[in-house]
Amino acid sequence: DQQVKQNSPSLSVQEGRISILNCDYTNSMFDYFLWYKKYPAEGPTFLISISSIKDKNEDGRFTVFLNKSAKHLSLHIVPSQPGDSAVYFCAATNQAGTALIFGKGTTLSVSS
Amino acid sequence: NAGVMQNPRHLVRRRGQEARLRCSPMKGHSHVYWYRQLPEEGLKFMVYLQKENIIDESGMPKERFSAEFPKEGPSILRIQQVVRGDSAAYFCASSPGGGYNQPQHFGDGTRLSIL
Repeated sequence: DQQVKQNSPSLSVQEGRISILNCDYTNSMFDYFLWYKKYPAEGPTFLISISSIKDKNEDGRFTVFLNKSAKHLSLHIVPSQPGDSAVYFCAATNQAGTALIFGKGTTLSVSS
Repeated sequence: NAGVMQNPRHLVRRRGQEARLRCSPMKGHSHVYWYRQLPEEGLKFMVYLQKENIIDESGMPKERFSAEFPKEGPSILRIQQVVRGDSAAYFCASSPGGGYNQPQHFGDGTRLSIL
């Protein structure tokens, strides 16, 4: 039973355009959400997070939006750069635990 | 991913042997987490440890797997009598505290291959 779902295995975007990566969750107890970026043969790198008390968090080119009623969050990257090409993982947790629950990832390809 | 150090990066074992994976957390971090990633899958939580204590092992298989984080030295994930299904990438993460809203920082993983 997948509690965190990334339904798009891949996404292709042109350099300079916006990349939108989506994530859905089923567990209403989740209240902290994170995005990680992963290059091949490396570990995930923390990008940005959002608490359930917010609906938006921004850090440079990266913005995460949270829609609690829809149990949906998205990561916006603008403008996209070729170096953003990687696998992006959405993860969630709650106050009762410290384990991160990951989605299966979305592979982003940014072409120049 | 500088900071969390995992070794070895690649480990090959034959069925029935033991595998030991080591993780040194980032400086100043006393909380360690182990995750496993199977091909085409996301990372799956295995165990959460603080120094000398296992806090949450709800993701650990009941048999053959164990983890420790001694007072001195790295955290160790130990797999006894390995089987082909243990082939995966094993990632360690650390955080300065155990709060749910403290991002975990990952090492580059150990790729375990079972012949």
